[in-house]
Amino acid sequence: EPEVTQTPSHQVTQMGQEVILRCVPISNHLYFYWYRQILGQKVEFLVSFYNNEISEKSEIFDDQFSVERPDGSNFTLKIRSTKLEDSAMYFCASISGFGNSPLHFGNGTRLTVT
Amino acid sequence: SQKIEQNSEALNIQEGKTATLTCNYTNYSPAYLQWYRQDPGRGPVFLLLIRENEKEKRKERLKVTFDTTLKQSLFHITASQPADSATYLCALASNSGYALNFGKGTSLLVTP
Repeated sequence: EPEVTQTPSHQVTQMGQEVILRCVPISNHLYFYWYRQILGQKVEFLVSFYNNEISEKSEIFDDQFSVERPDGSNFTLKIRSTKLEDSAMYFCASISGFGNSPLHFGNGTRLTVT
Repeated sequence: SQKIEQNSEALNIQEGKTATLTCNYTNYSPAYLQWYRQDPGRGPVFLLLIRENEKEKRKERLKVTFDTTLKQSLFHITASQPADSATYLCALASNSGYALNFGKGTSLLVTP
């Protein structure tokens, strides 16, 4: 069964550094998402992306964050200048169509900011 | 503001019993509601979707009910097994429909 893949599985970075988290969504999916989950907290929506533009973003997704689909297969999340509070699990997800399609999640990148 | 509330307490039950998890929501007018399972260190995995005009949905040992008047969904696992131990998440679409928002989840532990 096709799956969403994320790399790396764990990223350690120093405060103030830029990080790029990478995702390969399922190939025929059209809508792409980033979520984050701080340890012990709920899965929080960051951003949705369709047709090469952001369709919705949350309050968490401020100017420090950006997303890109640089080619036909990758979907990236960039954090420009990481803060300690950015430490979390970041999940990429995709869906085949809009509406009530279920989300397919990757297994996440654990970001640790020191 | 929009809220999705799930039992904050962990649910411990004995193998073979039925587990019932609750999801309550406010300030949503959902056309559908979804349930996901999350294991530690893993991404959520879709289980079931129920539409607003469906009272109940079943899949194998899983059953979901949806009461839009009470603004509540119940998620049942019958004949529970230790392998069912996980966190179960309730999810609703934002008003725009472009985001799926999750509750904090209920942790289920099934003991032999």
